[in-house]
Amino acid sequence: AQSVAQPEDQVNVAEGNPLTVKCTYSVSGNPYLFWYVQYPNRGLQFLLKYITGDNLVKGSYGFEAEFNKSQTSFHLKKPSALVSDSALYFCAVRDRGYSTLTFGKGTMLLVSP
Amino acid sequence: EAQVTQNPRYLITVTGKKLTVTCSQNMNHEYMSWYRQDPGLGLRQIYYSMNVEVTDKGDVPEGYKVSRKEKRNFPLILESPSPNQTSLYFCASSLGRPGTEAFFGQGTRLTVV
Repeated sequence: AQSVAQPEDQVNVAEGNPLTVKCTYSVSGNPYLFWYVQYPNRGLQFLLKYITGDNLVKGSYGFEAEFNKSQTSFHLKKPSALVSDSALYFCAVRDRGYSTLTFGKGTMLLVSP
Repeated sequence: EAQVTQNPRYLITVTGKKLTVTCSQNMNHEYMSWYRQDPGLGLRQIYYSMNVEVTDKGDVPEGYKVSRKEKRNFPLILESPSPNQTSLYFCASSLGRPGTEAFFGQGTRLTVV
């Protein structure tokens, strides 16, 4: 089985400050890991993914994520938050032996001016 | 422009009245899937298809049907909708190879009264 946990329903950060959105996963094998963002009344948009190799992955809009195998985590980070980053963020995992993608429950990021 | 198109975007219907939500992609993707999004539950997969005439159940398939007669189309059918199927539905497609990201439609907000 595969599962994803996003322990925070909401993260609040001031504009210009660094942000972190947490994600932990559980798989039986090696994971593929993804982050998606959802803006109001929109579908999900792909941000970044970890397949293999370098544990630090860079993606769209200045976001990055660090794969930590020992802690089974894949936290999303950005050095300086923008108000326009306010959105719902989803972490997703796919075990290499599975055909499906499992999503976390989502974390609402609110960036205040 | 590469896209996944769902129709309709909004739908209000009555219990028991059969409905179909259409999904079409123009990227020649093999893999297509349907998700429902509910508050506090994140995205849950309903059905997926790895290619034409190949479909399989996801995590919450009860009350839904799908078909994949053409590569580009993957309609979601509710034979007898019930109020607990009120939700936001997303169609997604991807190349299907492990590690490839999914592209999502804009969503269909369904209300069953």
